[in-house]
Amino acid sequence: ETGVTQTPRHLVMGMTNKKSLKCEQHLGHNAMYWYKQSAKKPLELMFVYSLEERVENNSVPSRFSPECPNSSHLFLHLHTLQPEDSALYLCASSQGPRSETQYFGPGTRLLVL
Amino acid sequence: AQSVTQPDIHITVSEGASLELRCNYSYGATPYLFWYVQSPGQGLQLLLKYFSGDTLVQGIKGFEAEFKRSQSSFNLRKPSVHWSDAAEYFCAVGARYGGSQGNLIFGKGTKLSVKP
Repeated sequence: ETGVTQTPRHLVMGMTNKKSLKCEQHLGHNAMYWYKQSAKKPLELMFVYSLEERVENNSVPSRFSPECPNSSHLFLHLHTLQPEDSALYLCASSQGPRSETQYFGPGTRLLVL
Repeated sequence: AQSVTQPDIHITVSEGASLELRCNYSYGATPYLFWYVQSPGQGLQLLLKYFSGDTLVQGIKGFEAEFKRSQSSFNLRKPSVHWSDAAEYFCAVGARYGGSQGNLIFGKGTKLSVKP
């Protein structure tokens, strides 16, 4: 498989549930990103990881917890989410954290009830 | 602070007609510039990018974009639109230097509909 993959593609969860989103990149990149895409708002950068270390956290609430066990995998652990957290969550990767071009996965559509 | 404006929320064109999607940016120097396309239910696909050199850049699927420094614009064009081009298009700016180097700022997107 090539490019950036994300699972699951769709997720419905209650506010008390705990779930995780998974991202995998097959491009040999060293940096990975989580973005949130809400209706009528621009894409928002959430986290940046470089070589498994978090290099940026854009004031994201603690109910979102990222994990990067290696340079190919990135997780977003979710717990006690709110309905306003319903959105498309996109993962991206690039050669390095300051590299110019990012490549995106297909996203996970999350609905919080 | 960097910002990106896509003034058109929704555009409808007839199949075979030409297309221009507008993008204006605010940045202290020349940024990296990108256009991405998102089909329904899909992630973002890179159409083209400008880093330096020739201000007219060619991309995939017959798209091109022109960087105009004097107008702080990076408009996307296609001479003849196909029905499969119906999607949402995002312009993005990337910082060349500083603490935000490499981070992308996206516009709100322009949704393109194509009439048969």
